Amino acid sequence: DTGVSQDPRHKITKRGQNVTFRCDPISEHNRLYWYRQTLGQGPEFLTYFQNEAQLEKSRLLSDRFSAERPKGSFSTLEIQRTEQGDSAMYLCASSGGTGGFPTDTQYFGPGTRLTVL
Amino acid sequence: AQTVTQSQPEMSVQEAETVTLSCTYDTSESDYYLFWYKQPPSRQMILVIRQEAYKQQNATENRFSVNFQKAAKSFSLKISDSQLGDAAMYFCAYRANNLFFGTGTRLTVIP
Repeated sequence: DTGVSQDPRHKITKRGQNVTFRCDPISEHNRLYWYRQTLGQGPEFLTYFQNEAQLEKSRLLSDRFSAERPKGSFSTLEIQRTEQGDSAMYLCASSGGTGGFPTDTQYFGPGTRLTVL
Repeated sequence: AQTVTQSQPEMSVQEAETVTLSCTYDTSESDYYLFWYKQPPSRQMILVIRQEAYKQQNATENRFSVNFQKAAKSFSLKISDSQLGDAAMYFCAYRANNLFFGTGTRLTVIP
């Protein structure tokens, strides 16, 4: 297993276009997380899945953002009608926790850097 | 609301010396976890060390150790025998349910 992978690594788009990012977690991990990191800041939580269920969404996740994890494996994050303020690094992480309290460690992917022109 | 504060935007250390990075957090929870993550330039974030709040003993991982002061809500990272490869952004993170990160400390290692 090679860890968490994300595709693409870089994406440049024009304002108003839709973009979709993919995350493949570590294969045995049942939890998957999305974060956004802007320059000079730490990552900010967006949403997380346990298996295919999306259990929590941050207020940062506006209506233009949607995330899916249809079969409990890979996940996609789509941004519709992109804005310049969406330019950031989008990080995915996974963990292998079980039970009701997430005590597990999150392992991060390399991120997708989005630039909106 | 949970917040994590890293008051040192930048730190530098001479190779082979010791450096301590500071972190404070605010929470009303009693059960939580604390982490230090390292993010090298243009590379992915990796876990350095973690601490369970219910454990009084400070975590250590080789050259990395923490000073966890639960009452003071302080969680500092000590790097001993600093190496050039330690140069990176270091993020302190708090977790009850979700992970909250500080703004990071950029560590420079001087040869």
